[in-house]
Amino acid sequence: AQRVTQPEKLLSVFKGAPVELKCNYSYSGSPELFWYVQYSRQRLQLLLRHISRESIKGFTADLNKGETSFHLKKPFAQEEDSAMYYCALSPYNTDKLIFGTGTRLQVFP
Amino acid sequence: DAGVTQSPTHLIKTRGQQVTLRCSPISGHKSVSWYQQVLGQGPQFIFQYYEKEERGRGNFPDRFSARQFPNYSSELNVNALLLGDSALYLCASSLDPRDTYGYTFGSGTRLTVV
Repeated sequence: AQRVTQPEKLLSVFKGAPVELKCNYSYSGSPELFWYVQYSRQRLQLLLRHISRESIKGFTADLNKGETSFHLKKPFAQEEDSAMYYCALSPYNTDKLIFGTGTRLQVFP
Repeated sequence: DAGVTQSPTHLIKTRGQQVTLRCSPISGHKSVSWYQQVLGQGPQFIFQYYEKEERGRGNFPDRFSARQFPNYSSELNVNALLLGDSALYLCASSLDPRDTYGYTFGSGTRLTVV
């Protein structure tokens, strides 16, 4: 079965602390993986995708095929990072995204 | 560019009624996808349309249907509404159906079934 699991519903940290949002996937093949973010009162938007190996707003994510994980990391959290984060998978040769249940990140001052 | 626009923003319907939700994609985007987001869950794929044809369908009953118009706007119809259909319905547009990188989401229509 194709599935994305985000085990944490809520992650709370203080400003300046490191952050790691966990994402595990189940897929028999080479997936395309994404992180989406939804800030308060804003629409869902793409944060980053694994294929481009980019860093956006200080966030990075590395695909680990052995552990089937795509964890999102940031070394020093900022208050403006507080948002809902969704990990998503796009199966090969399909036209859809499979989302996890999301993790709410709260960054306290 | 106004981005992806959805209407209405909020809607309250009674069980058994029918509802139509509308989506206008970003100018130049020819593919429209619909997602259902139940409270506390991630979005779940319902349909994708490209050039007025259905390109993909998620695991939803036949009460759910959609169509795409020549101007690439789209409608999602849900018949015989159930309480469990209460959710945020998201529309996303992209240049073409494989362009999941370029998905742009609308703000959604919040449907409440009472």
